Amino acid sequence: GAGVSQSPSNKVTEKGKDVELRCDPISGHTALYWYRQSLGQGLEFLIYFQGNSAPDKSGLPSDRFSAERTGGSVSTLTIQRTQQEDSAVYLCASRQGGGNTIYFGEGSWLTVV
Amino acid sequence: AQRVTQPEKLLSVFKGAPVELKCNYSYSGSPELFWYVQYSRQRLQLLLRHISRESIKGFTADLNKGETSFHLKKPFAQEEDSAMYYCAPTWGIKAAGNKLTFGGGTRVLVKP
Repeated sequence: GAGVSQSPSNKVTEKGKDVELRCDPISGHTALYWYRQSLGQGLEFLIYFQGNSAPDKSGLPSDRFSAERTGGSVSTLTIQRTQQEDSAVYLCASRQGGGNTIYFGEGSWLTVV
Repeated sequence: AQRVTQPEKLLSVFKGAPVELKCNYSYSGSPELFWYVQYSRQRLQLLLRHISRESIKGFTADLNKGETSFHLKKPFAQEEDSAMYYCAPTWGIKAAGNKLTFGGGTRVLVKP
């Protein structure tokens, strides 16, 4: 596609439920990032995938959070047993292997009630 | 550790007034500096990068290695400049993890 695509764009879930957020990066981009943007907060790094290398998971806030990237393309961020503090916009971004500019998706707005 | 600081969370200026968004970074190498912008209801997007030395939408940013700063400036703010701005140095694809590190963001409000 022309840009980074994320789904769902909005998700309301009950506390304790699991959610999956999907990211489809720009075709050919080898690097993929997940960030979280909470109300009134900045951008919080979650996880980074680069090609076939082991992902950098250092930003995941707890073991309820996990992410995978299948076939070097689509990525899924999974949040298990959601809590109200997980409510945020989850942003995905991708980058071409040789460049430093990253391109963001529109985000997935998650609300945990 | 690599850090980036945007000291102002909110900048409120009148239309036509100058605006300057501060960004300071600590580094262990030579970063490439970016400013990203997020307008209301739009995705985060690149505004400018220091390496290209360009002016986008009237904004410029000067890298000051001595002060480790990359402040964003515009001489005459417009209402459409109201947005959230993030400073983002990156230490390149060979740096550990290559996480693009964002500052906390500065919200700019341009009043008519």
